[in-house]
Amino acid sequence: GEDVEQSLFLSVREGDSSVINCTYTDSSSTYLYWYKQEPGAGLQLLTYIFSNMDMKQDQRLTVLLNKKDKHLSLRIADTQTGDSAIYFCAEHASGGSYIPTFGRGTSLIVHP
Amino acid sequence: NAGVTQTPKFQVLKTGQSMTLQCAQDMNHNSMYWYRQDPGMGLRLIYYSASEGTTDKGEVPNGYNVSRLNKREFSLRLESAAPSQTSVYFCASTELAGGHEQFFGPGTRLTVL
Repeated sequence: GEDVEQSLFLSVREGDSSVINCTYTDSSSTYLYWYKQEPGAGLQLLTYIFSNMDMKQDQRLTVLLNKKDKHLSLRIADTQTGDSAIYFCAEHASGGSYIPTFGRGTSLIVHP
Repeated sequence: NAGVTQTPKFQVLKTGQSMTLQCAQDMNHNSMYWYRQDPGMGLRLIYYSASEGTTDKGEVPNGYNVSRLNKREFSLRLESAAPSQTSVYFCASTELAGGHEQFFGPGTRLTVL
């Protein structure tokens, strides 16, 4: 079945850029998502990208998609301590019931 | 709009006890989901309901039952709780026409002793 892989931890210094990486196996993935989970809370959609796009930018966030390598990344510029959270990559192929596949999540720790 | 609400927020059970986790959404979404989250395991789908009147098993359905009471409410029942069901449970909903974003509740933290 489909699989989504992420590294489990990332540690950065405040003010640096963070890059969180994700690989997926389903070549028919149509939608790719980044969700953020703050401590003690549920997941919240951060951004998403359609498979016909290579890049999407939204303020401090840049999403890059390499369809050939099935690689998705999330770059956070000028990382702040408030960005400390778990970031989940998810994918879904259109058609059928909507059941996205989630990665295990990357814990981002931002040091002052 | 409250979004997705879950009750209770915390629960401690003894092995063999039963309980029902409640979930409601006020966004008129068709699809609803129950996930469990365990450390290092990410989110695992327990059951989902694509629309009112239908429910289907997800990746880890054993030990759970669900009821889609109406379009708003989707409950998860543990008939005989086991320590392996200690987890954080999240309910989510989505409306396909709206771009496929899933909206998550705040979670229920369940401990089974």
